[in-house]
Amino acid sequence: GAGVSQSPRYKVAKRGQDVALRCDPISGHVSLFWYQQALGQGPEFLTYFQNEAQLDKSGLPSDRFFAERPEGSVSTLKIQRTQQEDSAVYLCASSLNLRTSGSVGYEQYFGPGTRLTVT
Amino acid sequence: RKEVEQDPGPFNVPEGATVAFNCTYSNSASQSFFWYRQDCRKEPKLLMSVYSSGNEDGRFTAQLNRASQYISLLIRDSKLSDSATYLCVVLDLSNFGNEKLTFGTGTRLTIIP
Repeated sequence: GAGVSQSPRYKVAKRGQDVALRCDPISGHVSLFWYQQALGQGPEFLTYFQNEAQLDKSGLPSDRFFAERPEGSVSTLKIQRTQQEDSAVYLCASSLNLRTSGSVGYEQYFGPGTRLTVT
Repeated sequence: RKEVEQDPGPFNVPEGATVAFNCTYSNSASQSFFWYRQDCRKEPKLLMSVYSSGNEDGRFTAQLNRASQYISLLIRDSKLSDSATYLCVVLDLSNFGNEKLTFGTGTRLTIIP
């Protein structure tokens, strides 16, 4: 079946531009996550949605970052006034709710990511 | 101190050898543990969950030591296709509404023919 898809795959932005990154999760997955992965590092948590509710946004690095999932399916991560330090791969992941899957069967499925370069 | 720490490597290992990766985590309340694999310029994919009693999947064995807050992954009879970055991952269940994964930096493995 279809996995998590993200668009665009690559984005080059000039410093100060706004960008919007899209994530289409696996159909039926309640939980959706955004992670940021800098070169040579592991992914770092940005924010988490359960359906349309944003339950945790503690990882967003500044108020320039904003995420939404208005209908509980597709999500958009928006970065305003991009800075060079925002250059990274932005990964989206989706999963069944932990209470549904149980911790033993739990898995987050990742999309291919959007590689953002701010010049 | 990072919540999940790994030796970043790189590990360059001849084909057929056995290689072991270690990882430590700082939150003693963490209850679920995983190893993810990430190929170059690709997304992370679940390799295996790590259970308290230890578990094996073919050539891969994962172990957990809760007392030492230590997780390991052993790869036997390594293949060229095992070349990748291996990410140690922790799911913190202490805040039950939050399912975020915390990743280590990753250990880069290259299998040499």
